[in-house]
Amino acid sequence: NAGVTQTPKFRVLKTGQSMTLLCAQDMNHEYMYWYRQDPGMGLRLIHYSVGEGTTAKGEVPDGYNVSRLKKQNFLLGLESAAPSQTSVYFCASRTHQRGPYNEQFFGPGTRLTVL
Amino acid sequence: DAKTTQPTSMDCAEGRAANLPCNHSTISGNEYVYWYRQIHSQGPQYIIHGLKNNETNEMASLIITEDRKSSTLILPHATLRDTAVYYCIVRVYNTGNQFYFGTGTSLTVIP
Repeated sequence: NAGVTQTPKFRVLKTGQSMTLLCAQDMNHEYMYWYRQDPGMGLRLIHYSVGEGTTAKGEVPDGYNVSRLKKQNFLLGLESAAPSQTSVYFCASRTHQRGPYNEQFFGPGTRLTVL
Repeated sequence: DAKTTQPTSMDCAEGRAANLPCNHSTISGNEYVYWYRQIHSQGPQYIIHGLKNNETNEMASLIITEDRKSSTLILPHATLRDTAVYYCIVRVYNTGNQFYFGTGTSLTVIP
């Protein structure tokens, strides 16, 4: 049981390049999230998904697109990378089931630098 | 979701209790208090959550005031591995939307 994994761990892009970050979870969770974390700041939600085939905007969605074609995967795309998107990106997932826990499980992060 | 206010940083001696406060004066009746922590460069980790009763688990205790406008996370015997940023979050239970992470409290456990 790997939990939440993210690919790649590190990436350097040039301004204007595109890339896709992959998040995968093997816990059969319905909800998945993409956050970004800038130095000295807390996490800010980019996009999230409450189920396969559905996505929604979070706090800072501009410049990003997402897709949830399979329940276990949540993709974050940058169509034209900008230096302002230099950040650490975290993916998270959690169950939709009611119960004592509402815990989000986080991946290890992807460190992205845009030059 | 209600906003929270936490001190920017705190120190605690190893082996002593670490008490991390959080103010959430605009919390509404159906909002829970959650605590997460983030050890350097890692993804955040869930610690505990509660509604109005005090809660305890193997990691920590959560004390919520009677008016629910503030809470305190207690790490009973802090170790060096507890050095991390601690986030207090309030939100409605079991909804799909976001957790709002503030800047948290940077706790340093001193040997």
